[in-house]
Amino acid sequence: EAGVVQSPRYKIIEKKQPVAFWCNPISGHNTLYWYLQNLGQGPELLIRYENEEAVDDSQLPKDRFSAERLKGVDSTLKIQPAELGDSAVYLCASSSRDRGDEQFFGPGTRLTVL
Amino acid sequence: AQKVTQAQTEISVVEKEDVTLDCVYETRDTTYYLFWYKQPPSGELVFLIRRNSFDEQNEISGRYSWNFQKSTSSFNFTITASQVVDSAVYFCALSEMYSGGGADGLTFGKGTHLIIQP
Repeated sequence: EAGVVQSPRYKIIEKKQPVAFWCNPISGHNTLYWYLQNLGQGPELLIRYENEEAVDDSQLPKDRFSAERLKGVDSTLKIQPAELGDSAVYLCASSSRDRGDEQFFGPGTRLTVL
Repeated sequence: AQKVTQAQTEISVVEKEDVTLDCVYETRDTTYYLFWYKQPPSGELVFLIRRNSFDEQNEISGRYSWNFQKSTSSFNFTITASQVVDSAVYFCALSEMYSGGGADGLTFGKGTHLIIQP
């Protein structure tokens, strides 16, 4: 079974530029999560989807961050415009109630904003 | 609000020693899940264990064991006879459990960097 796929793995941009991250969850997983992990810290939840519905986006900075999960499968997280403080690793995870809600994480996208 | 505290920022032991990683949590929820994840240098988070709030039985899996004590809000993780490959950052995490068994997003601690020296 393929794991959670994320791309790109690394991204370097200049501040004020837009950037997008893509996530393909494990097949059949209806719940998808985006987390942000700063250096030396634990991941912090940004948004959670149940199928195509964003059921918890309370921690998503909506002035510059947006996310979508069309058709309840793949998801895209966007930042526009990026700021220096957005440099971090962006992690995607997925889970399924049928499999005990264990969250499986992707390898992450490491964003560097110059 | 939920909170997970891992007071040990870094632990260094010599191979074959036993080591315990501490985790203390805070939550107002009566039903919740507790987790441990491993993050090796490659960066990918690896699931180790999930425990629900109404099951306080300790669990052992090979060299790994977990001690859940609701009375002290702790969920500690012990590695017996540590090996160099155990070197990683270990995260404790907490999530609310919904009726029907569904889980919320995870609240992570800051992690403990475990270094196993040969």
